[in-house]
Amino acid sequence: EIVLTQSPGTLSLSPGERVTLSCRASQNIRYLAWYQQKPGQAPRLLIYGASTRATGIPDRLSGSGSGTDFTLTISRLEPEDFAVYYCQQYGTSHPHTFGQGTKLEIK
Amino acid sequence: EVHLVDSGGGLVQPGRSLRLSCTASGFTFGDYGVTWFRQAPGKGLEWVGLITSKTYGGTRDYAASVEGRFTISRDDSKSTAYLQMNSLKTEDTAVYFCGRSGPLGSSSIAYWGQGTLVTVSS
Repeated sequence: EIVLTQSPGTLSLSPGERVTLSCRASQNIRYLAWYQQKPGQAPRLLIYGASTRATGIPDRLSGSGSGTDFTLTISRLEPEDFAVYYCQQYGTSHPHTFGQGTKLEIK
Repeated sequence: EVHLVDSGGGLVQPGRSLRLSCTASGFTFGDYGVTWFRQAPGKGLEWVGLITSKTYGGTRDYAASVEGRFTISRDDSKSTAYLQMNSLKTEDTAVYFCGRSGPLGSSSIAYWGQGTLVTVSS
């Protein structure tokens, strides 16, 4: 089973700041997605294929990385960005594991 | 518009069974796989299992934590997928979500159900 480790666990930031979230895999992976989740809601797909924005996702969010190291960057935080973020590896290898999540909270 | 509705959750005693449904609309259900996820209270997301489209054999795979107890099936005529959960344990308590996968099940999930809460308790 591929283990994904996200860091940090929690970030306290202010609107307008830039943030980079990290996701590290225990072995090389080809397919990585990022999701945002708010309380009481289903996850929302942000990025797939490590760097492709999903439909309707603003360009201030960007994903990068390959192999075992991946990042999600938000260039300028908006109030609606404060949520929990998960990375997930997918593809032909099961299970499609998630990282433990990074909580982005307002400072 | 693509829409998935999760249903069937509730309170159930340990050792009993429950069947969840994921009813789809807005697309040709049979062309896609379906993946089930869950989220225990205050915890992260967990992949439960998937079923591919019939084109790819309707193949199923499961997380080790539910293998042998949970079964995923689909009825394309009803645009519905099911998660049959047997021998439930208290640690199965979670919100269960379905998601639309690619036909092989190997994709990110752009469309999710709203989730249905399963509580396993005596």
